[in-house]
Amino acid sequence: GAGVSQTPSNKVTEKGKYVELRCDPISGHTALYWYRQSLGQGPEFLIYFQGTGAADDSGLPNDRFFAVRPEGSVSTLKIQRTERGDSAVYLCASSLGRNTGELFFGEGSRLTVL
Amino acid sequence: AQTVTQSQPEMSVQEAETVTLSCTYDTSESNYYLFWYKQPPSRQMILVIRQEAYKQQNATENRFSVNFQKAAKSFSLKISDSQLGDTAMYFCAFMKQDSNYQLIWGAGTKLIIKP
Repeated sequence: GAGVSQTPSNKVTEKGKYVELRCDPISGHTALYWYRQSLGQGPEFLIYFQGTGAADDSGLPNDRFFAVRPEGSVSTLKIQRTERGDSAVYLCASSLGRNTGELFFGEGSRLTVL
Repeated sequence: AQTVTQSQPEMSVQEAETVTLSCTYDTSESNYYLFWYKQPPSRQMILVIRQEAYKQQNATENRFSVNFQKAAKSFSLKISDSQLGDTAMYFCAFMKQDSNYQLIWGAGTKLIIKP
């Protein structure tokens, strides 16, 4: 696609529910990242994929968070038993995989847990 | 561990003026990259400018330029002839060379350009 696409744009759920957030990166980008951004703060790294594998998942806060990228393109961030503290904007970014540091971001998915 | 500090939570200037946003960082690394990203209300982060630490020359991109002081670990962004469309959050970010692209971000500066 022309840019990184994230769905849904906004998601409201109740505490304890399961949610999935989807990211469709730029075609041909091998690297994919998930970040979480709380109000008034900079993004916080969650996980990095190179191809299909999670090369670095050190940012996932606990085992309620999981992400997959089964075919090396679209990625899904999965959050189980959501808590109010999970409320944030979840940003996805992709890059060509060369170490240029330039990431292309989507518009994020705003998750609100009531 | 690396840290990035943006000491100005919010700034406001008139259209066409020049504004400078501050960023300092702490690292023991010699080789790294520094970035300024812009985040308008649409939430999409957009790369404004990038600097390689090994380059002494300051990066420029049209109206945007940086003042990179490696010894002082300072990386400020200057926006010349500011425009209404420059209104956004601006984030400074750090990345180690040969890393897994893990960016370390500052808390951001909210820039408001007034007509």
